[in-house]
Amino acid sequence: NAGVTQTPKFRILKIGQSMTLQCTQDMNHNYMYWYRQDPGMGLKLIYYSVGAGITDKGEVPNGYNVSRSTTEDFPLRLELAAPSQTSVYFCASSPPLGLGANTEAFFGQGTRLTVV
Amino acid sequence: AQKITQTQPGMFVQEKEAVTLDCTYDTSDPSYGLFWYKQPSSGEMIFLIYQGSYDQQNATEGRYSLNFQKARKSANLVISASQLGDSAMYFCAMREGNYGGSQGNLIFGKGTKLSVKP
Repeated sequence: NAGVTQTPKFRILKIGQSMTLQCTQDMNHNYMYWYRQDPGMGLKLIYYSVGAGITDKGEVPNGYNVSRSTTEDFPLRLELAAPSQTSVYFCASSPPLGLGANTEAFFGQGTRLTVV
Repeated sequence: AQKITQTQPGMFVQEKEAVTLDCTYDTSDPSYGLFWYKQPSSGEMIFLIYQGSYDQQNATEGRYSLNFQKARKSANLVISASQLGDSAMYFCAMREGNYGGSQGNLIFGKGTKLSVKP
């Protein structure tokens, strides 16, 4: 049972380069999220999706784009990388909400990105 | 205004003792969920415990319990019988609209670094 899988685990980018962080989940979860975690801080929401074909901005979306063509995959695209995007990126998924059940978010292992 | 506040940047506890990690939250939504996650030095996020806003009893999961005081908007994590492996960052998080009708994202506090001393 793989859960949420992120690739790559580490990456160094030069300023101005672009890259895609991959995220896939095998739990058939509708909800998927991208967070970033800066040193000494909690996680901040970049983008989220409530289902295939539906995405929306979170708290810190500038410099990023996402797509959700399937339930399983939710890639995050960085265009024109900047040093401010140096961070650890987490992808997460959760099942549909309702009835107050514990709908914990399941996290990937994280991608440590450095922009130099 | 911060929605999740963790006022203890770092905590020390002696092995085998209990420790309480503080968390206060701010929301006007009556339907919310509160979560605690552990992040060891390896970096992954590990779910520990959940409390729904309408739950009548405090949640417990093994050595973890959540001291839920709704009127005070606090959701403190209690770890009993601390172990060396409990040394990690601990994050409190909230999901508004937990009973449906929201995008479902978690709002995180800044975390508390717990160090367990032998």
